[in-house]
Amino acid sequence: DVVMTQSPLSLPVTLGQPASISCKSSQSLVQYGGSTYLTWFHQRPGQSPRRLIDKVSNRDSGVPGRFSGSGSGTDFTLRISRVEAEDVGVYYCMQGRHWPQTFGQGTKVEI
Amino acid sequence: EVQLVESGGGLVQPGGSLRLSCAASGFIFSDYPMVWVRQSPGKGLEYVSSITHSGDNTYYRASVKGRFTISRDNSKNMLYLQVGSLTTEDMGVYYCATSHDYSYEYWGQGALVTVSS
Repeated sequence: DVVMTQSPLSLPVTLGQPASISCKSSQSLVQYGGSTYLTWFHQRPGQSPRRLIDKVSNRDSGVPGRFSGSGSGTDFTLRISRVEAEDVGVYYCMQGRHWPQTFGQGTKVEI
Repeated sequence: EVQLVESGGGLVQPGGSLRLSCAASGFIFSDYPMVWVRQSPGKGLEYVSSITHSGDNTYYRASVKGRFTISRDNSKNMLYLQVGSLTTEDMGVYYCATSHDYSYEYWGQGALVTVSS
C-alpha cells in the first residue's frame, strides 16, 4: 500500500498566523491523464471528516479561502493563511491514485 | 442537502457479526460509488470496502476479505456492510462516504463497532 507521511503530527498555532502541513507519498500520485489524486480532510473533535481540498488544490464549496493546497508528484502542502479558532482539529491527507486509498496519520492543530 | 446516516453499530463478542447500514438522501444515490472507511485510535483512517454505483463490483482490503460483505439497494437508497468473524482489530468507527473521482466527498456521522467479551 502507498504510505502517506504527514508532518508535523502536532502543530501548535497562533490565531491570525499562518500554518502549514506537509504530506509525502511513497509513490507518485499522478494519474496517466495528468490529474493528481491528493485530498485534504479536516476532522473536528467528535465529528466525521470533512473534505476541504480535492486534486491537490481544488477547494470544496464553502471552504474558506484561507485554505490552500499545493504540491506535485509525491510532496504536498496544506496552508492556512491566517488561523481561526474553528480551524482546530486533525487534518488528514489521502491518496486516491493507488488502490487501496490510504490516509496520512493526521496532524493535530491546536491553539 | 446530502445526508448519510449510519446505523447498526454496537458491542459484539469476538467472532461475532453485525450488519451496518447507511441511509442516503439528498443526491442521486444510484449514480455514486460508495465506500466504507473505519477509524480506530491505533490505525487512524482506513479504507475498508467499496462498491460501484450499480453494485456489480465490490472491493475489500485484504484483512477483511472473506469476512465482510458490502452491498447496496438503490431502490431504497441504502448501503450495507455485513461484518463477520470480528476481532479487536476490527474495532472502530465505521463511516460510509460517497466515492467519486478517487476522493470521498460526503461522509456520514459514523457507527461505533466494539468487539469485546
